Amino acid sequence: DVKVTQSSRYLVKRTGEKVFLECVQDMDHENMFWYRQDPGLGLRLIYFSYDVKMKEKGDIPEGYSVSREKKERFSLILESASTNQTSMYLCASSVFPTAKNIQYFGAGTRLSVL
Amino acid sequence: EDQVTQSPEALRLQEGESSSLNCSYTVSGLRGLFWYRQDPGKGPEFLFTLYSAGEEKEKERLKATLTKKESFLHITAPKPEDSATYLCAVLRPGGSQGNLIFGKGTKLSVKP
Repeated sequence: DVKVTQSSRYLVKRTGEKVFLECVQDMDHENMFWYRQDPGLGLRLIYFSYDVKMKEKGDIPEGYSVSREKKERFSLILESASTNQTSMYLCASSVFPTAKNIQYFGAGTRLSVL
Repeated sequence: EDQVTQSPEALRLQEGESSSLNCSYTVSGLRGLFWYRQDPGKGPEFLFTLYSAGEEKEKERLKATLTKKESFLHITAPKPEDSATYLCAVLRPGGSQGNLIFGKGTKLSVKP
């Protein structure tokens, strides 16, 4: 079974702190994604990566950055956390290239910024 | 604009009461439509992928169908354990990395 592991289930941070969210997948997938999920807004893509050290902006990249130094690990960085970044953050991975493009998700990190 | 719209936002059913969830999409050249299930506090879990109009997929009490403009998730004789939020997504046109555009989901509650 594919396993996508997010390092924290719950996180509480202060405004202005630098926050790291970590995601690890164990299936040698090329693609990795970071989403945030908010009530009434659904899942929105923040950044994705299709290879080590490669990254592309999603729909809402402002206030975030990412790092992918190893194939299995994709980190989301909040350079200076703000209260409007309080959300559920979901990491996903998928194989490329393939016609299936199934994304497998982690359990999520619920981040509260106070 | 490429969009995915799910309806209804919420659906309450009695155990055994069959119904359908709708996912309508406006993308040019559909390359794939996905259904996920999400339980509270957890990440989405993959259910089905559909690629062409007329295609159907089944899993236990769930059946997904696809037309040129929408997909339906039919739930036959649901049980309380089917309660969850069901998400629909389509492959973003033009991209090659498998990016998905998600709908906002339908929250299904099945009462015993």
